[in-house]
Amino acid sequence: NAGVTQTPKFQVLKTGQSMTLQCAQDMNHNSMYWYRQDPGMGLRLIYYSASEGTTDKGEVPNGYNVSRLNKREFSLRLESAAPSQTSVYFCASSWTSGRVETQYFGPGTRLLVL
Amino acid sequence: QKEVEQDPGPLSVPEGAIVSLNCTYSNSAFQYFMWYRQYSRKGPELLMYTYSSGNKEDGRFTAQVDKSSKYISLFIRDSQPSDSATYLCAMSPANFGNEKLTFGTGTRLTIIP
Repeated sequence: NAGVTQTPKFQVLKTGQSMTLQCAQDMNHNSMYWYRQDPGMGLRLIYYSASEGTTDKGEVPNGYNVSRLNKREFSLRLESAAPSQTSVYFCASSWTSGRVETQYFGPGTRLLVL
Repeated sequence: QKEVEQDPGPLSVPEGAIVSLNCTYSNSAFQYFMWYRQYSRKGPELLMYTYSSGNKEDGRFTAQVDKSSKYISLFIRDSQPSDSATYLCAMSPANFGNEKLTFGTGTRLTIIP
């Protein structure tokens, strides 16, 4: 049981390049999320998917697109990378038990845009 | 003003000390309060959660919520070097899958052996 996995672990891009961050979970969770974490800003939600086939914008969606490929996989795409997108990106998935939703995070992808 | 405010630290205390970590918030609709622990270069992991006001204890950790003051705390007793991490508070109005978490910026804690 690997939990939430993310690839790649680290990436360097030039301004204007594109890339896709991959995320997969093996816990059969319905909901999945993409966050970015920046110093002094905390975790900010980029996009989320409440179930397979649905996606919604979070707090900071500009410059990103997502795909919920199936129940396991949720990818984040940067079409034209900008230095402002230098950050650590976390994928998470969640399950709800009663009234409590527990989010499980992946190890993160460190992205540097030059 | 941010919805959730958290002192970023860093906070350094000697091993065995009691640690107090705090967050304040402005949204009175928040009902669920969580603490996540994040080790360096790792993803956050859920440490504790509480619903509404009151205290909750789990081993050396105690979470406290004071909704009247919009203030939450995490206490760590008998702190250990392994407790060195960044602690993030998080909260949401409800937990039925449609309400999203709002995170604090995190407090970096170092326990000195």
